[in-house]
Amino acid sequence: SAVISQKPSRDICQRGTSLTIQCQVDSQVTMMFWYRQQPGQSLTLIATANQGSEATYESGFVIDKFPISRPNLTFSTLTVSNMSPEDSSIYLCSAQGINEKLFFGSGTQLSVL
Amino acid sequence: AQKVTQAQTEISVVEKEDVTLDCVYETRDTTYYLFWYKQPPSGELVFLIRRNSFDEQNEISGRYSWNFQKSTSSFNFTITASQVVDSAVYFCALSDREGGADGLTFGKGTHLIIQP
Repeated sequence: SAVISQKPSRDICQRGTSLTIQCQVDSQVTMMFWYRQQPGQSLTLIATANQGSEATYESGFVIDKFPISRPNLTFSTLTVSNMSPEDSSIYLCSAQGINEKLFFGSGTQLSVL
Repeated sequence: AQKVTQAQTEISVVEKEDVTLDCVYETRDTTYYLFWYKQPPSGELVFLIRRNSFDEQNEISGRYSWNFQKSTSSFNFTITASQVVDSAVYFCALSDREGGADGLTFGKGTHLIIQP
């Protein structure tokens, strides 16, 4: 199974600032995904990040608010820009392994004051 | 549009009881993939199973078993002889691409509490 490391594991941020979340996979993967899990809610796909191309965003999510980088086959970042309290959530990175199972990182718990 | 419904928000049972978590899905695709994930208090999502729409065989893995019923669009998950370590939120998810290559549609999750 793929091992996915996410940093930071949690952060408390001020309104109006930005936070970049890093996701490192221990093997090369084609597909990486970013999900949001609002308090007590299910997971919602934010975007799909493929290496060498722009991320594909789901309805309700835009690049200006959630810019994503995918510089290589093992790493991706998600930035939450101009944060507001409504952005307080757990953000999870996931990657599709070689056996096509979808693995998840342990998440970044973000609180915006 | 795809949709996954987990009607049970929270289930509480006493250790060693059997418990079934329900999952009902909606999709227009003829080929699709169903998943179950476990999210313990640590927050990480743990992959449990993937099943494609052409394989209706039920599966058993230790104390875990899954019942896929295409006729009722259900993919239920049963834990036999539950243990306290089974306490977690369990998510059912759906994808129209193998491995969830287009991302997964998740249900709202069922919070399972196993009391000692």
